[in-house]
Amino acid sequence: AQSVTQLGSHVSVSEGALVLLRCNYSSSVPPYLFWYVQYPNQGLQLLLKYTSAATLVKGINGFEAEFKKSETSFHLTKPSAHMSDAAEYFCAVRPSSGSARQLTFGSGTQLTVLP
Amino acid sequence: EAQVTQNPRYLITVTGKKLTVTCSQNMNHEYMSWYRQDPGLGLRQIYYSMNVEVTDKGDVPEGYKVSRKEKRNFPLILESPSPNQTSLYFCASSRQGGTGELFFGEGSRLTVL
Repeated sequence: AQSVTQLGSHVSVSEGALVLLRCNYSSSVPPYLFWYVQYPNQGLQLLLKYTSAATLVKGINGFEAEFKKSETSFHLTKPSAHMSDAAEYFCAVRPSSGSARQLTFGSGTQLTVLP
Repeated sequence: EAQVTQNPRYLITVTGKKLTVTCSQNMNHEYMSWYRQDPGLGLRQIYYSMNVEVTDKGDVPEGYKVSRKEKRNFPLILESPSPNQTSLYFCASSRQGGTGELFFGEGSRLTVL
């Protein structure tokens, strides 16, 4: 069984401030972890993924995430927020030995960037 | 351009009037899936297909049907829509094997009155 918890359904940051979106997972087997972003009126697109190589993963648009097994976390960060980062962000997990069928999504975090 | 295309993007219908939301992908992906997105609930899987003629229920299949007669197409059918099926629907596809990352369509917003 697996699950994903995203702490904070809404996060607001000022432009230029650090972005930190939290994701904790539960998995009985080694996981693959993903962050997806959904811009207004669009589908989800992949930001980055952890697939058991480097624990610090860099994605598009300056985002990165660190896999911490001891904390069962995969938090998403960006050093300096831009207005264009305003979107909804989803963390997802699946077993590394499984398939896309087993992907489980968190409930999402809406990021607002204030001018 | 690699893409997943859904139609219609927006639809308002009435209870009981059958409708189909089409989904097509041009990446030759084996795996396709339908999700619904509701506020505070994230994405919930409705049905999925591992390949042509192979479909199975996801977490919330009640009131929906699918078919996979061709690799590229995976339509979602609501035989008798009800107001609780008002939602934002996403089709997604993925290559079998590998890391299994999903490619999503732009979504279909359905309102059932």
